Amino acid sequence: EAGVAQSPRYKIIEKRQSVAFWCNPISGHATLYWYQQILGQGPKLLIQFQNNGVVDDSQLPKDRFSAERLKGVDSTLKIQPAKLEDSAVYLCASSPGVKDTQYFGPGTRLTVL
Amino acid sequence: AQSVTQLDSQVPVFEEAPVELRCNYSSSVSVYLFWYVQYPNQGLQLLLKYLSGSTLVKGINGFEAEFNKSQTSFHLRKPSVHISDTAEYFCAVSSGNTGKLIFGQGTTLQVKP
Repeated sequence: EAGVAQSPRYKIIEKRQSVAFWCNPISGHATLYWYQQILGQGPKLLIQFQNNGVVDDSQLPKDRFSAERLKGVDSTLKIQPAKLEDSAVYLCASSPGVKDTQYFGPGTRLTVL
Repeated sequence: AQSVTQLDSQVPVFEEAPVELRCNYSSSVSVYLFWYVQYPNQGLQLLLKYLSGSTLVKGINGFEAEFNKSQTSFHLRKPSVHISDTAEYFCAVSSGNTGKLIFGQGTTLQVKP
């Protein structure tokens, strides 16, 4: 069974530029999560989708971050414009349902200069 | 609100010695508890989880954890560690209603030869 796929694995941008990350969850998983992991900290949930609807985006900085999950499968997370403090690893996870084990992708490491 | 505290940021231990990684949580509702491991440049992998039932939970790679409701703890243990256990370990809590995971800060386990 293929795991959660993420791309790119690494991204370096200048502040005020835009960036987008892509996530392909495990086939059949209805729930998809985006987490932000700042160096030295545990992951923090940014947004949770159930199929193509948003369940929780309370910690998503909506002035600069956006996410979508069209057709309830793949998802993209965008940052526009990026700030220095956005430097982090962005992890995507998926699960069959909200009460099931979450499976994590390898993450995208973003460096904002 | 839920929170997780991992009491040690780093735990150095010699190979084949026992180890305990400590985790305390705070929640006003019933919780599910998890331990995840993160190897360098990889995503998080589930070690074990407590949902209900027996308070002693066994996981992969010889790890186990004990849920203690009165002390609000969920410490992770292994009787004999290997060099390959060197990694970052995260304790997490979920209320189960939405699946949202609240992570601790992480504990770096350094196994020395």
